[in-house]
Amino acid sequence: GQQVMQIPQYQHVQEGEDFTTYCNSSTTLSNIQWYKQRPGGHPVFLIQLVKSGEVKKQKRLTFQFGEAKKNSSLHITATQTTDVGTYFCAGDRSGTASKLTFGTGTRLQVTL
Amino acid sequence: EAGVVQSPRYKIIEKKQPVAFWCNPISGHNTLYWYLQNLGQGPELLIRYENEEAVDDSQLPKDRFSAERLKGVDSTLKIQPAELGDSAVYLCASSLGLAGAYNEQFFGPGTRLTVL
Repeated sequence: GQQVMQIPQYQHVQEGEDFTTYCNSSTTLSNIQWYKQRPGGHPVFLIQLVKSGEVKKQKRLTFQFGEAKKNSSLHITATQTTDVGTYFCAGDRSGTASKLTFGTGTRLQVTL
Repeated sequence: EAGVVQSPRYKIIEKKQPVAFWCNPISGHNTLYWYLQNLGQGPELLIRYENEEAVDDSQLPKDRFSAERLKGVDSTLKIQPAELGDSAVYLCASSLGLAGAYNEQFFGPGTRLTVL
């Protein structure tokens, strides 16, 4: 079946440093979504990427979808303590984001 | 607007006992999902409903798990009998389910199940 892997599993940074998590799918995707889960919380939708090579920005967050639509990345510039949580990518092959395969997640810890 | 509501938030049971979880999706959302999330892992889909129809239950362990969404609104997920390995967080999510569109999923707070 489809597998979605993320690296690293865990990263600890000091506030102000940059952070990047990488997502790789074993199969070509229709689209990819990113979610953030705070400690003790539930996943919250961040963004969806659809087009090959697409880049989207949300303030300090930059999301990229690979040319082959099999990988994606999330980059956070100048991390803040509010960025703490686990970031999941979720790959979709259905075309309507109705069957997501979530990645293994990257847990981000930010300290002052 | 209210989000996805789940109850109970926490449940502790002994193995071999039955347990049920309830979910009320966001009003107007046609698609409802049940996920299982183990500690340190991403959510795994158990079942997906389009209105009252279960359109994807391929990952649901049907020997002990069952689910229903009788009127196409709220849903119940049941485990009978529960096993130690069922300890996890059970998440419910919903989406508009618009045909031909990409649908963002909204998650509820989850039910944390502990089987002793």
